[in-house]
Amino acid sequence: DIQLTQSPSFLSASVGDRVTITCRASQGISSYLAWYQQKPGKAPKLLIYAASTLQSGVPSRFSGSGSGTEFTLTISSLQPEDFATYYCQQLNVYPVTFGGGTKAEIK
Amino acid sequence: QVQLQESGPGLVKPSETLSLTCTVSGGSMSNYYWSWIRQPPGKGLEWIAYIYYSGSTNYNPSLKSRVTISVDTSKNQFSLKLSSMTAADTAVYYCARHRPRGWDFDYWGQGTLVTVSS
Repeated sequence: DIQLTQSPSFLSASVGDRVTITCRASQGISSYLAWYQQKPGKAPKLLIYAASTLQSGVPSRFSGSGSGTEFTLTISSLQPEDFATYYCQQLNVYPVTFGGGTKAEIK
Repeated sequence: QVQLQESGPGLVKPSETLSLTCTVSGGSMSNYYWSWIRQPPGKGLEWIAYIYYSGSTNYNPSLKSRVTISVDTSKNQFSLKLSSMTAADTAVYYCARHRPRGWDFDYWGQGTLVTVSS
């Protein structure tokens, strides 16, 4: 299985901060990567697919980049509703796998 | 607006078989892939299996020997059976729809917590 390593696993930031989360794949996955946001007690929500395409309805402060083995999710100006856990997912080969998550908390 | 809703028991005894159903509303199941995903309390996400509306399936090798996924498009439902349950199978189980032309998930159910305990 392809392993996805997210860093950091935890971040503390303030409203308005620029935040970057990294996802590294154990082997190349081209651009077959998605990002999700999950709030406590809720299902994950798709933010970005194909590494950099914003899902409909997702605010433009979210952006994704990367290909191959290294990917990033950037939130340009963190808002109160963005404090959540973020997961990456590889879609290149089955079984699809998820990263371990990055929890974003208020500083 | 597509909605998915999981249903099934919240408590299962060790060695028993879990049966869950996902009911899809607000849209057709046709031409889509549908999956089950689980999340142990406080942990990450694990994909379990998918099924195409026509019935073709794919399973996570780590669970394949214990999992069966099926679909009933006449009822707009798909189902999961997981046998030989143990405490390690305690998790929130989600059903989800694959995004068109993609393997990511654009619609999710709210999730149902299944606890394995005697």
